[in-house]
Amino acid sequence: DSGVTQTPKHLITATGQRVTLRCSPRSGDLSVYWYQQSLDQGLQFLIQYYNGEERAKGNILERFSAQQFPDLHSELNLSSLELGDSALYFCASSVDPGDYNSPLHFGNGTRLTVT
Amino acid sequence: AQKITQTQPGMFVQEKEAVTLDCTYDTSDQSYGLFWYKQPSSGEMIFLIYQGSYDEQNATEGRYSLNFQKARKSANLVISASQLGDSAMYFCAMRGWYNNNDMRFGAGTRLTVKP
Repeated sequence: DSGVTQTPKHLITATGQRVTLRCSPRSGDLSVYWYQQSLDQGLQFLIQYYNGEERAKGNILERFSAQQFPDLHSELNLSSLELGDSALYFCASSVDPGDYNSPLHFGNGTRLTVT
Repeated sequence: AQKITQTQPGMFVQEKEAVTLDCTYDTSDQSYGLFWYKQPSSGEMIFLIYQGSYDEQNATEGRYSLNFQKARKSANLVISASQLGDSAMYFCAMRGWYNNNDMRFGAGTRLTVKP
């Protein structure tokens, strides 16, 4: 158990809808990362937050947004969903985002299916 | 820019044998960390082992060892005495001192252990 909690585990929704994915980092970790894993794109970095502030953006679509709250949990909002958004979405956390020697600890992921 | 290459989409190994999963990387960073993760069919991402760019000795964690050849920019994972439970996807990843905001992943290698 990595200590990172993601909910829900599975999400099935229709095209055009909006969903929210939730993540609680490991106790003591201040930084949260969101990744998308799809069959054709592999693991893609979406966005990173540190202590409530956005720190880095990766390949995140404009239809997607995220935030980190004062209690350090994070939410990833996906809107105007398309079939191609179907993927496994991971949240990961780390203590110090600047420490390149530290691993990221991943949650179990949210599997999103858009129909 | 950082790039991770895993050239083996799939590998087979006999139970109790050793197997090497290849990983090469490209980075302009002088300081970086290399990581291996295991993703079983259940989907979670499990951190296995870490190697720092300045570490002179190869990292080991139980049956996992990392064959680090800095000049060749390779960080191969060696699994000794394979077990059926080792069947999974394996991802090589890195974080750099300059580009430490996210972790970059290779495409992964699917390992199947035969009884």
